[in-house]
Amino acid sequence: DAGVIQSPRHEVTEMGQEVTLRCKPISGHDYLFWYRQTMMRGLELLIYFNNNVPIDDSGMPEDRFSAKMPNASFSTLKIQPSEPRDSAVYFCASNQGGRFTDTQYFGPGTRLTVL
Amino acid sequence: GQQLNQSPQSMFIQEGEDVSMNCTSSSIFNTWLWYKQEPGEGPVLLIALYKAGELTSNGRLTAQFGITRKDSFLNISASIPSDVGIYFCAGRYFYGGGSNYKLTFGKGTLLTVNP
Repeated sequence: DAGVIQSPRHEVTEMGQEVTLRCKPISGHDYLFWYRQTMMRGLELLIYFNNNVPIDDSGMPEDRFSAKMPNASFSTLKIQPSEPRDSAVYFCASNQGGRFTDTQYFGPGTRLTVL
Repeated sequence: GQQLNQSPQSMFIQEGEDVSMNCTSSSIFNTWLWYKQEPGEGPVLLIALYKAGELTSNGRLTAQFGITRKDSFLNISASIPSDVGIYFCAGRYFYGGGSNYKLTFGKGTLLTVNP
């Protein structure tokens, strides 16, 4: 299996621009998670989906952030407008199900720099 | 929200030495997980613990799920240079009748191994 795929791997943009991060989960996985990692705050859960439906978005920082999952093999995280404090590594992770023994697999991440 | 206190923050050791790191929380978790992250990559699962008191090994790695369900430790024996990386603990709790869950991550332990 190819694992969780994220694109782009690196993104540099200017403040105010729209940023779209993409994720393809592992085939057959029902859960998809978006995390943000910074030195100050560590790994934070932003939002997650179960069977393409957003379940918990309480970690989304503000209205500038939005996430969609139009089908089982694709999800996007959008920031509009972007700000320098959004600079971080964004990870997507997927999980086969909500069973007790299921565990998450992470993608390689997208390093976002907002100038 | 639930928080994990992971210590130590960093470790610098000589090849061949044993390493120990731990996580504590004021909250109870259903599962404890240990991940390793290498530069430019996403976290990779090392060990998963599902029951209080459980002691599990994976090669030179050994981890335990605390009896109180509020703590866990990870030991690495006979460290080698490729053990270098950031080690994260994560606690998982289920909600919504058990169909939904969240992971809370510690801030990580940066391990450096001197050959």
